[in-house]
Amino acid sequence: AIRITQSPSSLSASTGDRVTITCRASQGISSYLAWYQQKPGKAPKLLIYAASTLQSGVPSRFSGSGSGTDFTLTISCLQSEDFATYYCQQYYSYPFTFGPGTKVDIK
Amino acid sequence: QVQLVESGGGVVQPGRSLRLSCAASGFTFSSYGMHWVRQAPGKGLEWVAVIWYDGSNKYYADSVKGRFTISRDNSKNTLYLQMNSLRAEDTAVYYCARVARPDGSADAFDIWGQGTMVTVSS
Repeated sequence: AIRITQSPSSLSASTGDRVTITCRASQGISSYLAWYQQKPGKAPKLLIYAASTLQSGVPSRFSGSGSGTDFTLTISCLQSEDFATYYCQQYYSYPFTFGPGTKVDIK
Repeated sequence: QVQLVESGGGVVQPGRSLRLSCAASGFTFSSYGMHWVRQAPGKGLEWVAVIWYDGSNKYYADSVKGRFTISRDNSKNTLYLQMNSLRAEDTAVYYCARVARPDGSADAFDIWGQGTMVTVSS
């Protein structure tokens, strides 16, 4: 199975900050990577697919980049509603795997 | 609107069985691959199983292979997860999720249900 790591596991930031989360796959997955946002008690929400394509309705302050094994999610100007946990997921091969998550909280 | 609604969760003893359902509405269910994803309390997301849009292919996580069975009834717009020989480590919120594009299997999940809690405990 493809292993996915994320860093950092958590971070504290302020509204208006630029935040970057990285995701690394144990083998090449081309651009078959998605990013999700999850708030407590809620289902995950798709933000980015195909590594860099913004899902419809997602604010443009979210962006994704990378291919192969290394990927990043960037939030250009953190808003109060962005405090949440973020997961990356590879869908290159089964079993699909998620990263362990990055919790973004208020500094 | 496009919606997935899970049901069937509850408290069950180790070794027993449970069947989860996921009712789909607002889209052509028979055109989309569907997944189950679970999340243990306070933990991250774990992919469980997938079934292709026509039911022709199914894949499972190693942790559930041989115990769980994914199925679908396209005439009822419903996805199922039959869970047998349940263990304490199967305790989690179970989500059903839709792939983003019709007729696709390798794709991100754009629609999720609200989740149903399964607790395995004696």
